[in-house]
Amino acid sequence: DAGVTQSPTHLIKTRGQQVTLRCSPKSGHDTVSWYQQALGQGPQFIFQYYEEEERQRGNFPDRFSGHQFPNYSSELNVNALLLGDSALYLCASSFFRPTGGVRSYEQYFGPGTRLTVT
Amino acid sequence: GNSVTQMEGPVTLSEEAFLTINCTYTATGYPSLFWYVQYPGEGLQLLLKATKADDKGSNKGFEATYRKETTSFHLEKGSVQVSDSAVYFCALSDRGAQKLVFGQGTRLTINP
Repeated sequence: DAGVTQSPTHLIKTRGQQVTLRCSPKSGHDTVSWYQQALGQGPQFIFQYYEEEERQRGNFPDRFSGHQFPNYSSELNVNALLLGDSALYLCASSFFRPTGGVRSYEQYFGPGTRLTVT
Repeated sequence: GNSVTQMEGPVTLSEEAFLTINCTYTATGYPSLFWYVQYPGEGLQLLLKATKADDKGSNKGFEATYRKETTSFHLEKGSVQVSDSAVYFCALSDRGAQKLVFGQGTRLTINP
């Protein structure tokens, strides 16, 4: 059973460029959340996708956008990159079962994508 | 808003020592509480969880009890090993698996 996978592993971009990061959730999971982890800090919630819609959003500017596909995989896009966007970007998956209203308590994290903006 | 505060690190211990990492939280309602561990170069792994007051989460010799009266969720282990060296994050979620709020992390180093 494959866990959460992310690509690429590392990425180097220049200020002003745009970047797309990808995430495939754990098998059986339908909800994807994205987090930004700056060096030496705890992860910060960016947004969450379920049923191909953004359901919750943290305090991040509109330069950060996302998408979820019918197969539950997800992309994180960041436009007009700033030096301060350099971080480890983590994807986490979980599941929600509308029938019975069951939502898992755990989020399973991928290994992350290390983005460096120069 | 919701927040989590962890004891400042780094923490350095000798093998077989007793470990406590303090965590307190501020939240409305009844959050679920978690401890995650991050090994060098890796993502976060769920270590243990508690979903209601007085619950005790446990895994791999680690334990933490959800204390609503003191809004705390301290992580403990009776005898640490070198392999426990990692960064530990306390986190809360106010609605099941929605939006985790993390503490700043505590780096733990265990010396042989």
